[in-house]
Amino acid sequence: AQSVTQPDIHITVSEGASLELRCNYSYGATPYLFWYVQSPGQGLQLLLKYFSGDTLVQGIKGFEAEFKRSQSSFNLRKPSVHWSDAAEYFCAVVVGGFKTIFGAGTRLFVKA
Amino acid sequence: GAGVSQSPRYKVTKRGQDVALRCDPISGHVSLYWYRQALGQGPEFLTYFNYEAQQDKSGLPNDRFSAERPEGSISTLTIQRTEQRDSAMYRCASSSYRGSLISYNEQFFGPGTRLTVL
Repeated sequence: AQSVTQPDIHITVSEGASLELRCNYSYGATPYLFWYVQSPGQGLQLLLKYFSGDTLVQGIKGFEAEFKRSQSSFNLRKPSVHWSDAAEYFCAVVVGGFKTIFGAGTRLFVKA
Repeated sequence: GAGVSQSPRYKVTKRGQDVALRCDPISGHVSLYWYRQALGQGPEFLTYFNYEAQQDKSGLPNDRFSAERPEGSISTLTIQRTEQRDSAMYRCASSSYRGSLISYNEQFFGPGTRLTVL
C-alpha cells in the first residue's frame, strides 16, 4: 500500500541554522512528491513538488528537496532557518493521478 | 474570491445531529477534493470531484458521509448522525487538474472547518 513516513514528529532548530526534514515514501510507480507547509489557522501551502527530471528541486521561501529513488526519500532542506519558518510541514505523494497521501507531519520549532 | 473558502470555520454539534460543511473553490477550478485531518495527523483523502462528477469516494469512512457538487462549483460534505470520532478538521482543496498524469496541477487548500462533536 502507498504510504508516506515522516520519522520526526517535531524538530527544534536555532534561527540561522540549517534544516533537514525527512520523508520516506512507499509507492510502486514513479512518484509525484510534494512538500506543504501549514501555519496555525491557515490552509496548507505548497512549498515544492517533484515530477521528473532534476532530482534537486527548488521551492518557495528558500526551501529545496532532493529525490533519491534508491532510498525512497524526498527530504526537505533549508540552509538558514528564519523564525517565520516555524510551522508544520507535510510530505505527500500523489497516486493514481489525483489521490494525495500525506505523512503525519513534522512540527518545526525555531529558537532564538 | 481569491482563494478556497470554507464555511463554517468552526462547528460544534451534539452527537446524532447532521452537519453540512461547505466548500467554495477557486473560480474556474475543475477539481475539488475533501480531506479530514485528525489532531497530530496529516490530511486524509476522503473524496474527489471533476466538475460535478464524483470520481472517487473511496476515502469516505462509512455511509454516514456523503458529498456533492451539483453544479460543478460549490461542494457540500454532509455527515449524518454525527459521532464523537467524527471530530476533526475538514479541509477542502481545488485545482485546475483535468486528469492528465503529465500535467498535475497544484491543489489549493482552504482554511478548513473544525468540527467538534460533543
